[in-house]
Amino acid sequence: AQTVTQSQPEMSVQEAETVTLSCTYDTSENNYYLFWYKQPPSRQMILVIRQEAYKQQNATENRFSVNFQKAAKSFSLKISDSQLGDTAMYFCAFRAYNNNDMRFGAGTRLTVKP
Amino acid sequence: NAGVTQTPKFQVLKTGQSMTLQCAQDMNHEYMSWYRQDPGMGLRLIHYSVGAGITDQGEVPNGYNVSRSTTEDFPLRLLSAAPSQTSVYFCASSSLSRVGHGYTFGSGTRLTVV
Repeated sequence: AQTVTQSQPEMSVQEAETVTLSCTYDTSENNYYLFWYKQPPSRQMILVIRQEAYKQQNATENRFSVNFQKAAKSFSLKISDSQLGDTAMYFCAFRAYNNNDMRFGAGTRLTVKP
Repeated sequence: NAGVTQTPKFQVLKTGQSMTLQCAQDMNHEYMSWYRQDPGMGLRLIHYSVGAGITDQGEVPNGYNVSRSTTEDFPLRLLSAAPSQTSVYFCASSSLSRVGHGYTFGSGTRLTVV
């Protein structure tokens, strides 16, 4: 079974600074997808960024980028130019090609301070 | 396009009561699932379905039932509510042909069992 670990329960960053959230996972699969979801106080789950394991190039979406290290089974999220609206819970998630289920980490609560 | 609609948004139950959480999607997604979110534990899979008439158990199925009579609807039934079932519940769906796109989530149901 796959497991996803987020070792930082809480983090904070000053507005306009850069912050990196960590995620590691354990799997015997070779083909899979990785995701970062954002959950603001509204409780809605919002997809931030995704990475396909067979792609070596790290995914980027505006101020959000990932550092995907397949051999190390690491998938960190970097948020540049942090904004107050980035304050939220962030969940790392794993989904294998041949399995519809998605496994989530415990989450990191990020606070952006003015 | 409503996406995934969950009702109710909030519910308080007494121990031993039963209830059904409703979930409907209008995207013709084959895959639907229910998760519960608890502090420090992320999202854990309760039950899932890959199509009408097909359901299966996830990580934490005890105390819950599901059925899938149509593609659109995937209700979650609590048979005899217990305080341990106090949680936030999310319904999610995805297309089986677009696994890499992640899930579309409902807005969640906060359930309190007293």
